[in-house]
Amino acid sequence: QKEVEQDPGPLSVPEGAIVSLNCTYSNSAFQYFMWYRQYSRKGPELLMYTYSSGNKEDGRFTAQVDKSSKYISLFIRDSHPSDSATYLCAMTYANTGNQFYFGTGTSLTVIP
Amino acid sequence: SAVISQKPSRDICQRGTSLTIQCQVDSQVTMMFWYRQQPGQSLTLIATANQGSEATYESGFVIDKFPISRPNLTFSTLTVSNMSPEDSSIYLCSVDVRDRDKFGPGELFFGEGSRLTVL
Repeated sequence: QKEVEQDPGPLSVPEGAIVSLNCTYSNSAFQYFMWYRQYSRKGPELLMYTYSSGNKEDGRFTAQVDKSSKYISLFIRDSHPSDSATYLCAMTYANTGNQFYFGTGTSLTVIP
Repeated sequence: SAVISQKPSRDICQRGTSLTIQCQVDSQVTMMFWYRQQPGQSLTLIATANQGSEATYESGFVIDKFPISRPNLTFSTLTVSNMSPEDSSIYLCSVDVRDRDKFGPGELFFGEGSRLTVL
């Protein structure tokens, strides 16, 4: 079983739609949950992260963690064509250095 | 933050040959990381490159296949040796910029990647 599972999509939505991206994981010791965005032919860049369970909002983006279900989500409100990218979830333990566990990424296209 | 330059950005290589990928960072960093990104697969850590010591390889990756150099605090190279079509992938250089005074997981900064196709 993979540490982190993510539906690769592709996901295609009209501009202005609410987008929901999800990952599941198997290791209950993960404490930090991150979302990276990767534009075509670019490296991933950190979008936001959440510690333990709960929600975190940053503009149009909301990250949600449910540790009891081992399930994390990223919601994008009022989606724009510029949100078209691959979104990778990642997670790591607390205080254990630099080992990040990534999902496969979900490819999102927002159609004008 | 960190700005990372990688080259080549892409290359097409013949089976059995080797290719060296270069990674330059705009600031001094202790550790540099090399990842592989294959279609439909997770971003996978190949090894951690520390200046002044041998690289630390993850399970499934060996030094003979992926030798790494780290001559100073801003530069590293990854060589993909004796290539086969299975080595076709995007190879990414990364650094972790961690604010020690700030609670959090750190932030990985990535280069734009080197897209390698092996025929």
